[in-house]
Amino acid sequence: ETGVTQTPRHLVMGMTNKKSLKCEQHLGHNAMYWYKQSAKKPLELMFVYNFKEQTENNSVPSRFSPECPNSSHLFLHLHTLQPEDSALYLCASSQGMEAFFGQGTRLTVV
Amino acid sequence: QKEVEQNSGPLSVPEGAIASLNCTYSDRGSQSFFWYRQYSGKSPELIMSIYSNGDKEDGRFTAQLNKASQYVSLLIRDSQPSDSATYLCAVITSGTYKYIFGTGTRLKVLA
Repeated sequence: ETGVTQTPRHLVMGMTNKKSLKCEQHLGHNAMYWYKQSAKKPLELMFVYNFKEQTENNSVPSRFSPECPNSSHLFLHLHTLQPEDSALYLCASSQGMEAFFGQGTRLTVV
Repeated sequence: QKEVEQNSGPLSVPEGAIASLNCTYSDRGSQSFFWYRQYSGKSPELIMSIYSNGDKEDGRFTAQLNKASQYVSLLIRDSQPSDSATYLCAVITSGTYKYIFGTGTRLKVLA
């Protein structure tokens, strides 16, 4: 248990659906992250939030919409996704040094 | 040029041997370096961090950093089959919260 919890663990959604991924950290960290991990590719940084402010948007398509209501919670809202968006979505938190990851959400877009 | 480079492997070593994993990075402003272990289907787990040149040891793991050569490595002594996983190198640049990961090296420890 890393202190970073993601829900759901698995998600199957159609291309016209709208869903949200949730991340919660109990470590008192000020920075939270969304990463995408596809097969045979490095972890791709999607978004970074520092003290609830978005500091990084790594050219992510607008069908992915992050929300950070406070330093402990992070959401990723999904709509009109494509099959190539199927991947493991990982949330992480840090205090600027070591980053700790949640268990991930395995997303399948059908 | 990729920002963080690792040999994808697989690197196969016999049980009890030393496994040596290497990583190079392109940004000379990088200040903090991390090794993560990721088992298949699981999320990355932090195993080592290193911030200054030289060696840092933690149990069977030793991280080595050479900023002049932009090189960081991880040595695993007395390798066990349970060490079989993908090892990810990560780097952050001073003043940012942006962690950049390599593609990872897959390690197989043969019993």
